[in-house]
Amino acid sequence: DGGITQSPKYLFRKEGQNVTLSCEQNLNHDAMYWYRQDPGQGLRLIYYSQIVNDFQKGDIAEGYSVSREKKESFPLTVTSAQKNPTAFYLCASSSRLNTEAFFGQGTRLTVV
Amino acid sequence: GENVEQHPSTLSVQEGDSAVIKCTYSDSASNYFPWYKQELGKGPQLIIDIRSNVGEKKDQRIAVTLNKTAKHFSLHITETQPEDSAVYFCAANFNKFYFGSGTKLNVKP
Repeated sequence: DGGITQSPKYLFRKEGQNVTLSCEQNLNHDAMYWYRQDPGQGLRLIYYSQIVNDFQKGDIAEGYSVSREKKESFPLTVTSAQKNPTAFYLCASSSRLNTEAFFGQGTRLTVV
Repeated sequence: GENVEQHPSTLSVQEGDSAVIKCTYSDSASNYFPWYKQELGKGPQLIIDIRSNVGEKKDQRIAVTLNKTAKHFSLHITETQPEDSAVYFCAANFNKFYFGSGTKLNVKP
């Protein structure tokens, strides 16, 4: 089955620890995105990548880092510099910019 | 950057009635406008989209209209059913997607 997979579904971490969220797609899409969703709110763009080995900051990139070493993978690291990391994180991909984006099922991160 | 505003934030309708959700955008360069449905604890799923060279698009009970001059677009759901209950997001895209804040639709049986 083609699709976009995020893992894990739930993640718990202690304050001050870095944590990496996985996002893999087998759709052969060039573009990939990371969004953050807080309760009752919309999706805010963290980082996006149009091509392997290249990525750009979104609107709320502070405290996050990404890499795009492979076309199918776009991991997101939530660093200790992120002041309020508890949220629902969504990864998406599209064949190119300005086309349909497919979303993963999300990772709910809780920092205690 | 782009700014997308979505209204209303909550919408409650009786089963069988119509529901309309409206969005406005600020960047005239935006040329692709998808609508997503998100169920609790899941990722958003595309339900319909429209490009800037089209004024209206329909898919069964769902339709989207776009007014480029006024920079607004709307989602219309007719003959609503309880399974339509979810959060709906609009988005505008030029080089990246900007999302509205979402509308929680509740269809009462």
